[in-house]
Amino acid sequence: AQSVTQPDIHITVSEGASLELRCNYSYGATPYLFWYVQSPGQGLQLLLKYFSGDTLVQGIKGFEAEFKRSQSSFNLRKPSVHWSDAAEYFCAVYGQNFVFGPGTRLSVLP
Amino acid sequence: EAGVAQSPRYKIIEKRQSVAFWCNPISGHATLYWYQQILGQGPKLLIQFQNNGVVDDSQLPKDRFSAERLKGVDSTLKIQPAKLEDSAVYLCASSLENFNEQFFGPGTRLTVL
Repeated sequence: AQSVTQPDIHITVSEGASLELRCNYSYGATPYLFWYVQSPGQGLQLLLKYFSGDTLVQGIKGFEAEFKRSQSSFNLRKPSVHWSDAAEYFCAVYGQNFVFGPGTRLSVLP
Repeated sequence: EAGVAQSPRYKIIEKRQSVAFWCNPISGHATLYWYQQILGQGPKLLIQFQNNGVVDDSQLPKDRFSAERLKGVDSTLKIQPAKLEDSAVYLCASSLENFNEQFFGPGTRLTVL
């Protein structure tokens, strides 16, 4: 069975600081990988996805993620966080079916 | 382009009652998903349709939950009878095809008393 873990329940960063959100998955092969963001009162929105090819993928809003097969990880990064990035972030994988991680809540200090 | 529509937005019922949620996906999207998101957790896939056929319903509690997608467009998710633990946001999403980017609706917040 496939699974997704996001080790950090809640992260707080200062505006302008860099950000890395961790995601690890368990699956027998390389799954399709996704990062979604859920802002308060907003629906889930896709930030980026990885299917194959270049392991560093660029997404919307200045986010990027790197797939590391050896670590079964797909960490999300942003070089400079904006106050509007405060939200819940979900890593998701598609292997046999879609599985979402538990989410990481990001708070941004002014 | 219109997004995924869901109704109602909120619903409060008592346990053992029945409830139904409706979803209208983005026009032309073949794949439709229903998720359950309990407070503080990630969305859990309940059922996935490809056109009007079921692709995956392995996590759907079939003794009380049912879903249909007639004519491969709109979909309805029903709970009968509801339990307290069914309190959650029910999200509908659609995509052009399987594995692709999912577009989510605003969700229906269900409270079971």
